[in-house]
Order: sequence, then C-alpha cells, then structure tokens
Amino acid sequence: EADIYQTPRYLVIGTGKKITLECSQTMGHDKMYWYQQDPGMELHLIHYSYGVNSTEKGDLSSESTVSRIRTEHFPLTLESARPSHTSQYLCASRMTGYQETQYFGPGTRLLVL
Amino acid sequence: QKEVEQNSGPLSVPEGAIASLNCTYSDRGSQSFFWYRQYSGKSPELIMFIYSNGDKEDGRFTAQLNKASQYVSLLIRDSQPSDSATYLCAANAGGTSYGKLTFGQGTILTVHP
Repeated sequence: EADIYQTPRYLVIGTGKKITLECSQTMGHDKMYWYQQDPGMELHLIHYSYGVNSTEKGDLSSESTVSRIRTEHFPLTLESARPSHTSQYLCASRMTGYQETQYFGPGTRLLVL
Repeated sequence: QKEVEQNSGPLSVPEGAIASLNCTYSDRGSQSFFWYRQYSGKSPELIMFIYSNGDKEDGRFTAQLNKASQYVSLLIRDSQPSDSATYLCAANAGGTSYGKLTFGQGTILTVHP
C-alpha cells in the first residue's frame, strides 16, 4: 500500500489568496509529480521532480510553483488563487529502478470563489 | 495523434462478462505500462503493470502487451458492478522524457447487474 499523503483534502478559498497544497510520502521515492484533473477529464502533469532541489514544469502550463527541499515533501503553491484554478490536484511518487510503479495520493479538491 | 490512446468508450458489459480495455502508444521507447482504476471523485489506484511481451495475470485481471504492435490491453473476467470506474492506461516515457508517465484519456467502464 502506498504511503503518500495530501493536505488539505478539500479547500474553499477566496480569489487572491495564497495557498499551499501539501504532499508527503514516506516511501523514500526520489520522483514526485503534481497532476491537475477536472471532473471527468484527463490527468495533466503540471510539475515534477527527480530529487531534492530538482523541479521541472510539466506538460500543462500552470501558474503554480513547487519546491523540493526534502525528499519526502513536495508542496505546490499558488500565490494568488483564481476561479480558473478550481480543480482536483493529485500528487504522485515513484522510485527510480525496477518497475518504477507510480502511486497517487488521495488528492486535494480546490474551489476558488 | 495522442501518445497514449485508449478505446473511446464508454464500455458497458453485463455482470459476469469479460470487459476488454485497449490502449495503443506511439513512443517506441516506452518500456513499461500501467493500468490504473479511478472511481469518480477519487485518485487513480494501480491495478497492474507489465513490461514484457505477452500476458500477465493477477486474479480476475489480465494485462497483455505487444510491443511490435504498440498495443496494451486489460481484460477483466467475471466483471462485477464494483469494477465500474474509469480505467487509465499509462506508458513510461522513453528518451529524454524518461521518468514521466504518459496517460491515456481513460475508458469509462460500466458493469450492469
């Protein structure tokens, strides 16, 4: 079973607020990812990291930023939330090497009013 | 052409039947392939992975891989209503994108009693 956690699970916030979505994993995985998914729609990769101090933008342009100061922690920040940021944000991790199975966290549902 | 393409669906099968989900991929550098199940409003959960040509069985699930045809499939035997979900096919990207999974758009499966 995957040990990957996201907080908060649900967030309702007003336009212009700064928010940070937390993601932590206890499996020692080196690779971590953030995806954005609207209801009934495809997964879109917005950020990924191959290790500490390594971050890259994903396939879908996003106004969010990420950091990777510790292996287990990969937070995502929106400096000024807008209604267009309303979505589900999924964090995932995997370990370099054999099979490289990727596990997802439970997700954060964000609603920006 | 999408890098990972799944049969469009939605797919509806009666309880007890075999559900067949198909996926093609364009990146010949892809080495491993994954099937995820995603219930509405939840995060994707891994069902199976496969990286060798042929079949791989796990309980009611069988994954099939044909690298020459760039084709991956998932068979679900004795389908149950609890199998009703969106099924995501993913390929481990090759080349310079190594380390990222490319997801298909998903196939919605409904198993009716």
